[in-house]
Amino acid sequence: NAGVTQTPKFRVLKTGQSMTLLCAQDMNHEYMYWYRQDPGMGLRLIHYSVGEGTTAKGEVPDGYNVSRLKKQNFLLGLESAAPSQTSVYFCASCPGIPSYNEQFFGPGTRLTVL
Amino acid sequence: EDKVVQSPLSLVVHEGDTVTLNCSYEVTNFRSLLWYKQEKKAPTFLFMLTSSGIEKKSGRLSSILDKKELFSILNITATQTGDSAIYLCAEFAGNMLTFGGGTRLMVKP
Repeated sequence: NAGVTQTPKFRVLKTGQSMTLLCAQDMNHEYMYWYRQDPGMGLRLIHYSVGEGTTAKGEVPDGYNVSRLKKQNFLLGLESAAPSQTSVYFCASCPGIPSYNEQFFGPGTRLTVL
Repeated sequence: EDKVVQSPLSLVVHEGDTVTLNCSYEVTNFRSLLWYKQEKKAPTFLFMLTSSGIEKKSGRLSSILDKKELFSILNITATQTGDSAIYLCAEFAGNMLTFGGGTRLMVKP
């Protein structure tokens, strides 16, 4: 099993450009999450999904959109990138059953917006 | 107002020392409290705590949860340089995991 994978690993954008980050998991997990981590800080939740076709806002959703068309994939979109979105983005998934909340993380995507 | 608060923010110790990291959280829709270790990549899972007073242990690391006082501690005994990392605690509540800001631990030889 590959676990949680993220594409791309690195990206540099100019202000105003758009891009999509892809997260894929092969563990048949129901819940998937997108976080951002800025230098010296913890992870902040952007959006999450508790199942195929559903999404919800997290702590810092502005400037981002997401889609969960297939259970194994969770896409994060930036429609018009801004320098404030320079960060490391982590995707995570978990089974979603009440007794098992461990989240499995992808390797991260380092995004720089110039 | 931060929901999950970790202390201290950073800590420098020498090999062999014992450290205690603290995490306080809110109670709304609480499901579990998780600890992660983060080096220069994605967080790696350490412990998940759901019941008060039951210590979870893995080698030199241990953790316990106090659901009455709404906090958890992570202990590391006989620290090694390989323990140098950011330690994150997170509250799983409702359907979301909310992270604290982390404690940066540096272990000097």
